[in-house]
Amino acid sequence: DIQMTQSPSSLSASVGDRVTITCRTSQTINTYLNWYQQKPGKAPKLLIYAASNLQSGVPSRFSGSIFGTDFILTITNLQPEDLGTYYCQQSYSSLYTFGQGTKLEI
Amino acid sequence: QVQLQESGPGLVKPSETLSLTCTVSGDSISGHYWSWIRQSPGKGLEWIGHIYDSGSTTYNPSLKSRVSMSVDTSRDQFSLKLNSVTVADTAVYFCARDVNSGWNNWFDPWGQGTLVTVSS
Repeated sequence: DIQMTQSPSSLSASVGDRVTITCRTSQTINTYLNWYQQKPGKAPKLLIYAASNLQSGVPSRFSGSIFGTDFILTITNLQPEDLGTYYCQQSYSSLYTFGQGTKLEI
Repeated sequence: QVQLQESGPGLVKPSETLSLTCTVSGDSISGHYWSWIRQSPGKGLEWIGHIYDSGSTTYNPSLKSRVSMSVDTSRDQFSLKLNSVTVADTAVYFCARDVNSGWNNWFDPWGQGTLVTVSS
């Protein structure tokens, strides 16, 4: 299985801040990496697909990038509605796996 | 706008079979993969498997011996069965469209999720 390690597991930030969440994979997966946001009591919502492509309707303050086997989700100008848990997910292998999540408090 | 809705019993006894159905509206079930994903209380997300409109399936090896999925294209529904359940199968179960770009797969949209509790 491809292991996904997210860091940090939780973070607290303030409105207007820039935050980064990292997802490290146990092997190279090209750009087969997606990011989701889950708000309390809701289903996850797709933010970024294929590492750096912004899903339609998602604010441009969200962005994704790659550095080797590290995938980075960046949120600039943090807003109160950005609170929630963020997950990465790989589809490089036929067994899709998720990171353990990063809980963002504001 | 595509919408998915899970339905099925919220309580299942240990050793019995969990059965859920996902109804798709706003899009045809044909031409897409459809996935089931679960989330145990306070835990992360686990992909269970997916099914194509032809009925072709791929399951998570950790659940493969207990899982089956089916699709009803005439009703735009797909279903999950998980047999011999234990308390460890207690989770919120989500259905989602599995978007395949040819070189990457992602889940969008998701159903709202349904909590299934395994308890006697």
